[in-house]
Amino acid sequence: AQSVTQPDIHITVSEGASLELRCNYSYGATPYLFWYVQSPGQGLQLLLKYFSGDTLVQGIKGFEAEFKRSQSSFNLRKPSVHWSDAAEYFCAVGAEGGATNKLIFGTGTLLAVQP
Amino acid sequence: NAGVTQTPKFQVLKTGQSMTLQCAQDMNHNSMYWYRQDPGMGLRLIYYSASEGTTDKGEVPNGYNVSRLNKREFSLRLESAAPSQTSVYFCASSNRDRDEKLFFGSGTQLSVL
Repeated sequence: AQSVTQPDIHITVSEGASLELRCNYSYGATPYLFWYVQSPGQGLQLLLKYFSGDTLVQGIKGFEAEFKRSQSSFNLRKPSVHWSDAAEYFCAVGAEGGATNKLIFGTGTLLAVQP
Repeated sequence: NAGVTQTPKFQVLKTGQSMTLQCAQDMNHNSMYWYRQDPGMGLRLIYYSASEGTTDKGEVPNGYNVSRLNKREFSLRLESAAPSQTSVYFCASSNRDRDEKLFFGSGTQLSVL
């Protein structure tokens, strides 16, 4: 069965520092991978997605993610974190060929940003 | 643009009461979804509707019913609420059933006492 693991429940970084949020997936075929962000009291917003092609994917708000098939990972990165990046981040894998109705979400990583 | 609108934002129910969560989108999307979000469990799909007139079960459908009233609206009903249904509920929509991003509403926080 498909699954997504986000090993870090909570991460704190200083403003201006770099960020990497980890995501590991389990899926038999080529995965469709997503990162969503949830600000407090809001719904989720898509940051970026990977379906095929270049394994380094650029998203909104200066985020990027790299697909590494050999490590079954899709880690999210940002070179310099801003206070407004404080939010919860969810990795998701598209099951059964990527259909949106079959997305499996990770449990989320809560990011706190220190001034 | 309103996007995906959910009502109500907060609700407290007693065990056994019923209620309907409303969702409407103004993006002309074909597909709509209901998720629940629980601490430490991420989002889990309850039901989805790939197009007007169709609905299908997701990962956790027990205790819920849905209605795709028209292309814009997709409601979630709890016939007899249970404490285990205490959660935050999100409605989402997408343009297609594949390769398309989800647009989420701002959620309904439901407590069942």
